[in-house]
Parts: sequence; C-alpha cells; structure tokens
Amino acid sequence: EVQLVESGGGLVKPGGSLRLSCAASGFTFSSYSMNWVRQAPGKGLEWVASIGTSSSYIYYADSVKGRFTISRDDAKNSLYLQMNSLRVEDTALFYCARVRETRQYPSFHFDYWGQGILVTVSS
Amino acid sequence: EIVMTQSPGTLSVSPGERATLSCRASRTVSNNLAWYQQKPGQPPRLLIYDTSTRATDIPARFSGSGSGTEFTLTINSLQSEDSALYYCQQYNNWPLTFGGGTKVEIK
Repeated sequence: EVQLVESGGGLVKPGGSLRLSCAASGFTFSSYSMNWVRQAPGKGLEWVASIGTSSSYIYYADSVKGRFTISRDDAKNSLYLQMNSLRVEDTALFYCARVRETRQYPSFHFDYWGQGILVTVSS
Repeated sequence: EIVMTQSPGTLSVSPGERATLSCRASRTVSNNLAWYQQKPGQPPRLLIYDTSTRATDIPARFSGSGSGTEFTLTINSLQSEDSALYYCQQYNNWPLTFGGGTKVEIK
C-alpha cells in the first residue's frame, strides 16, 4: 500500500525556518518524481515545488522561489522541503504528492497524497 | 502563468441527477488536464487525468471531456458521497496551476 506521511510542521514566527519531511513507503520511491502542494486554511490548492528522479530537475512556484528548497534522499525513501524566511502567507497545510507515472519526465498530475502537515506562521 | 477558472463556484444537484462542472484555461493546455475530488479533512483524490482518463478505482459515473482551454467534469447519477470540492489542474506548463474549485452540494 502506498503511503506518504508528512512531518515537521508547526508554529513558527515570520522570518523563521522549518524543514518538512515526507516518508514514503509501498512503492519504489526512487522511480517517481515527487511534489509539494499546499492549501491555505479554507482556500484552494497551490503547487509549491517538484523534484525529478535522481533530483534531475527541480521546479518552484514563484511565491517560494529563493526561500524554499525541495530535496530527496532515495536511500531513506524521503522527500524534504526546507522553508526559510517564512511569511504569514505561507500558513497552510502542506501535502506531499506523487506523480502517477515513473517516466523521467512524467505528466505532473498526482495519484497519491499524504494527509498533510500544518505550517502556521504567526508572531 | 496559466490561470485556471472553474465555474460555478457552487453546484446544488439532486441525487440521481447529473452535475456538470467547468474549467477554463487562460491559454491552451492541450489535453494536460486533471480533476481532483476533495472531501473535508481529506487530501485530494485524483479522479481524471489527460482530460478524460479515469484514475484507478474511480467509478464510471465520473467522466471528463474537452481540449485546449475548455474542459468539463460530468458526474452522472449523483450520489450522496459525491458531495465534495472539485479542482481542475493543468500540467501542460510550469508553474502547475489549479482552479479555484467547485463545491458540489446534494439537494
């Protein structure tokens, strides 16, 4: 069974940092591009970042570029999101999501999602 | 950035009836369009990808159509468990973008 379990969220002050983790199981993690998607309270979905297999490519939303870093450790079946210079508007539930295909350049729609981890940025 | 616009914002449909949800892209996304269902307290669930292909274990009452900039999600014979938010997403261009969602209510 595919499982994605996020951790590392919490309350942080504006300007602070957090590192999110996503532990994957039930599939060959190294074969899939992985992603972070967030959802502000009561709002819609916003794509944050994507990373290819073997970290062959990385993309960011403009809203987080230069502040967030996505990475992966295939030996640990884990995905990460290092978030620096956090802003109040970064407050959201952050989801780890897997692309459906195992191609090196897949179509970026997401077939498995974690339950999400809440990040609250507030003074 | 491709802007995805969903309409209506809320749709109220009787059980057994058909629900038709629309998604418009600000420029062409070819057929690179997915639909997700999200229920309260749950992550999104992939329903449809490549405009019209149902994801694994998705009931046949869900269907997708369209191309270019205009897309439709149709839910036939609406059931109570279909009450949810529905989002479209384009993956033709970076950044990936989602629509604002359509809430489907059961009358």
